[in-house]
Amino acid sequence: GENVEQHPSTLSVQEGDSAVIKCTYSDSASNYFPWYKQELGKGPQLIIDIRSNVGEKKDQRIAVTLNKTAKHFSLHITETQPEDSAVYFCAVDSWGKFQFGAGTQVVVTP
Amino acid sequence: SAVISQKPSRDICQRGTSLTIQCQVDSQVTMMFWYRQQPGQSLTLIATANQGSEATYESGFVIDKFPISRPNLTFSTLTVSNMSPEDSSIYLCSVGPGNTEAFFGQGTRLTVV
Repeated sequence: GENVEQHPSTLSVQEGDSAVIKCTYSDSASNYFPWYKQELGKGPQLIIDIRSNVGEKKDQRIAVTLNKTAKHFSLHITETQPEDSAVYFCAVDSWGKFQFGAGTQVVVTP
Repeated sequence: SAVISQKPSRDICQRGTSLTIQCQVDSQVTMMFWYRQQPGQSLTLIATANQGSEATYESGFVIDKFPISRPNLTFSTLTVSNMSPEDSSIYLCSVGPGNTEAFFGQGTRLTVV
C-alpha cells in the first residue's frame, strides 16, 4: 500500500519568514495530493491541492510543488503570520482513499 | 465545497458503553469516510460508508466494534461499541470521491473513562 512520510514533525519560524514542509510517497500511480491545516479543536481544512499533471500551484502565500519523478511534494508558506500556527497534514490519494502524513506542528513566533 | 455537520462535538463516556456519532452533509455525496485521530497522531481511515451496501472496513477495524450506517446520500452514523479508554480519540467524517477534494467535519472528541 501507499507509504507517506512527512518532514519535519515540528517547525518553528519567525513571523515573516518562510516555512517548507515536505512529503514523500511510494505509489507512482497516485495522482492527487492535498494539504490540510488543522487548528486545535477543529477538523482538518483543505488549504491547497495539486494533481499529477501540474508541477506547481499557488494561492496567495501558499504554494505546493510536485516532483512526480522523485515522488515528493512540498508545501511552501511565505510571509508567515501567527495565524499560520497549526498542524499541517499532507495526503496522497491511493486507490480512492487518502493516506495521510504524520503531520507537522508549525509554530510562528512574533 | 461540502458543509459537514457532526454530532456530538464531544462526549465523555463510561467504558463498556457505546456512542453513535452522526454526520450530515448539505449535499448528496457518493462516498463518505470515517477517520480516527488518536491524540497527537495523524488520521487513520476506519471505513468507507457506502449507500445501499455494507461499509468497507480497513485493516484493523471491524464491523462489530465500529458499525456504520448510510441510509441515504447525505447522512451516515458511526458507532463506537463497548468502549475502552483506548478508544479515546477524535472521530472525523469526511466526504468526497477518492480522486478529488475531501472535506471534513469538525470532529467528535471522545473521552472514555
